[in-house]
Parts: sequence; structure tokens; C-alpha cells
Amino acid sequence: KQEVTQIPAALSVPEGENLVLNCSFTDSAIYNLQWFRQDPGKGLTSLLLIQSSQREQTSGRLNASLDKSSGRSTLYIAASQPGDSATYLCAVRPLGGFQKLVFGTGTRLLVSP
Amino acid sequence: DGGITQSPKYLFRKEGQNVTLSCEQNLNHDAMYWYRQDPGQGLRLIYYSQIVNDFQKGDIAEGYSVSREKKESFPLTVTSAQKNPTAFYLCASSMSGQSYEQYFGPGTRLTVT
Repeated sequence: KQEVTQIPAALSVPEGENLVLNCSFTDSAIYNLQWFRQDPGKGLTSLLLIQSSQREQTSGRLNASLDKSSGRSTLYIAASQPGDSATYLCAVRPLGGFQKLVFGTGTRLLVSP
Repeated sequence: DGGITQSPKYLFRKEGQNVTLSCEQNLNHDAMYWYRQDPGQGLRLIYYSQIVNDFQKGDIAEGYSVSREKKESFPLTVTSAQKNPTAFYLCASSMSGQSYEQYFGPGTRLTVT
């Protein structure tokens, strides 16, 4: 059974720092991995999607990497800003006929001015 | 503006009552999903639909029902048989197929007392 873990559960940094969020999954048989952002009481905003054949994806100050064989992904945020404060979720889409995402429990990020 | 709408944002019900949560999308996506989010847990899939008039149970379908009569709409009914219905409910959609990213609505917070 696929399990997704995100460490740390919470992270607090001063503005301007570069930071890395970690995501690990137990089964490397995946189609892709998706990173989301969730603000309190809101829905999920898709940040980056990495297909299983890809190593990384970039969007603005965000860079996500995928090492499928070791079951790991990282989300790198450059020059963090207070507006980056949110919960970051990763999710994998397992291989197989069942069209679903398996989510981690998220990392709650606080960037202080 | 293309997107997913969920209504209402907040819903309060008495125990023993059925309640229907609305989800509408204008992204022309074939696939739609319902997830449930509880504090400290990852999102869990309730039901999904890959095409009109067809839907499949997810991991936690007991006590829930859905319909998919139109491509744009995928309402979720929380029945009185659901033992612990208080949660944040998120609807999502995607193009059909395993490679496509999922997009989420703003969510409905259901409180049952």
C-alpha cells in the first residue's frame, strides 16, 4: 500500500531564506507526483506536476525534483516571502487502474517578515 | 474564468439528515473526484467519475453517494449512514488519463451536530 510522508510537519523561517520541503513515498510505481499549496480553510492550488520520467520541474521561485527509485521528492523555494506561508502537500498517482492521488499530511510553512 | 465551484462554503446539519454538496466545473474535464480532509490526515478519495453516467468508489465510500448526469456536475450526498461526516470536502477534476494534473475547488466545510 502506497504511503506518502512529509517531513517536517511544520517549518518556520525568516523572509529571504531558501528552503527545502521533503516528500517520501514507499512504492516507486507511480505515474507522477504533484505538489500543492493550501491556504487555511481553502482548496488546493496545484504548483508543479512531475511525470515519472522527469527529474525536475520549475515554476518561478519553485523547483521540484523527483528521484523515483529512492522514493523521494523535494520542493525548493527560493528567496521565501511572507506570502509563501501556507501548507504544502505532495501527492503521488500510483500505477494501476485506480485513478486517484495518495496524499501526504503536508508541511505547514510560516515565513516571517 | 475556468474553474471549479463548490457550494455552499459552510454547511451545518443535524445528525440523521442527508445533505448534498454541489460541485461544478467549466474546464471541460471528463474526470471528477471527491476527497475528504480531516485534521492531521491526508486527503482521502471518496468517489470518482471518469465519464458521464459512470462513477467508482474510492477508499472511503461508505455513507456517501454520487451522481454524474452532466459532464460539468458531480454532486456528493452525505447520508445519515456516514458515521463521522464532519469534515472539509474537496472536489477536483482533471482530463481523463493518468498523466494529467488534478485541479481542486475551494471546498465545503460540513459540520454535523
